Amino acid sequence: DQQVKQNSPSLSVQEGRISILNCDYTNSMFDYFLWYKKYPAEGPTFLISISSIKDKNEDGRFTVFLNKSAKHLSLHIVPSQPGDSAVYFCAAPLTQGGSEKLVFGKGTKLTVNP
Amino acid sequence: DTGVSQNPRHKITKRGQNVTFRCDPISEHNRLYWYRQTLGQGPEFLTYFQNEAQLEKSRLLSDRFSAERPKGSFSTLEIQRTEQGDSAMYLCASKLGGIDTEAFFGQGTRLTVV
Repeated sequence: DQQVKQNSPSLSVQEGRISILNCDYTNSMFDYFLWYKKYPAEGPTFLISISSIKDKNEDGRFTVFLNKSAKHLSLHIVPSQPGDSAVYFCAAPLTQGGSEKLVFGKGTKLTVNP
Repeated sequence: DTGVSQNPRHKITKRGQNVTFRCDPISEHNRLYWYRQTLGQGPEFLTYFQNEAQLEKSRLLSDRFSAERPKGSFSTLEIQRTEQGDSAMYLCASKLGGIDTEAFFGQGTRLTVV
């Protein structure tokens, strides 16, 4: 049972346009969310995060929106650049009995075409 | 560079052999994680250390897998009697602090079992 879902395996956009990557979650206990970016043959790199007490967090070209009632978040990249081409993972920390781990979606592969 | 370091980057082994991977976390980070990623999937949690204590081990880890973090510093992940299904990218991550901080990932060890 996937607690974090990224239903679009891939997305292709033109350079300069907006990229919107979506993520849905099922566990209402999640109260913090992160986006990671991953290039081939490298580990994931942290991009941006959002706490459940906010509905928006912005960092340069990257903005994450959170809709708690819909259990949905999205990552907006504007303007998109060819160097943004990568796989993007949505993740949420899950705490259980003194332990903590990240639960990841399956990722969305973004291709930004020049 | 004081990021998370993993060795080796690549490992090809014959089925039935034992392999060991090493992770050197960011020095002041007390939390260390191992994840496994296969094609088309997001990283899946394997195990979690807080200092030297292993606080959680995923059901994904069979008896053939063991992880250690002596003295709360570097960590090793050993797989005994490797199987073809063990082929994956093994990722190590570390962090300092609670649920609302990001984890930093190493570049991973790509294991191929032939």
